[in-house]
Amino acid sequence: GAVVSQHPSWVICKSGTSVKIECRSLDFQATTMFWYRQFPKQSLMLMATSNEGSKATYEQGVEKDKFLINHASLTLSTLTVTSAHPEDSSFYICSEKGFRLAGGPGGEQFFGPGTRLTVL
Amino acid sequence: ELKVEQNPLFLSMQEGKNYTIYCNYSTTSDRLYWYRQDPGKSLESLFVLLSNGAVKQEGRLMASLDTKARLSTLHITAAVHDLSATYFCAVDLTNKLVFGAGTILRVKS
Repeated sequence: GAVVSQHPSWVICKSGTSVKIECRSLDFQATTMFWYRQFPKQSLMLMATSNEGSKATYEQGVEKDKFLINHASLTLSTLTVTSAHPEDSSFYICSEKGFRLAGGPGGEQFFGPGTRLTVL
Repeated sequence: ELKVEQNPLFLSMQEGKNYTIYCNYSTTSDRLYWYRQDPGKSLESLFVLLSNGAVKQEGRLMASLDTKARLSTLHITAAVHDLSATYFCAVDLTNKLVFGAGTILRVKS
């Protein structure tokens, strides 16, 4: 599968601060990127979908002013959690959908390794 | 709204036994995925099922898709401890995936 990296892999921050998570595709042109959140012992919940160069589309119940998503290029998307609070502590996973740089069929999503956010 | 139901949610298996995880979904879709997640890790893709009647096998795992019944199954044959993980099905709804709740699988010696 395609290689997707996330940085940082874990972060601990104080309440009220902002945290930026990066998601990069290393061998893949990600036309669409997805951000998911996973609370302990729960499934993945889609937060937002973004297309390169366009504004993100947020799922119902997700505050767009709190979770800022930027998808400025085909290889990089960022999620910024603004004014983080303890209830934002979660495992954040990005995924990408698009086409391999080497060619071949597209359409499948490839997931990053995740970022564990702990807000104190 | 698409609903994806997995069952069972928790499965304790003896080594060497067979079992099946079920994934039902409520809206038409021709693409379904199965993923494995180990504790503290992200998702590992297991199977992509693209059409009605699709069957794929990898090692002790076999997945199938019946789009008419809106049902997919993940069958485990002769379970081994290494298969202990959480398994998710996910249904492709146009431009997003909707995940089932996950099945926690524990294989006991």
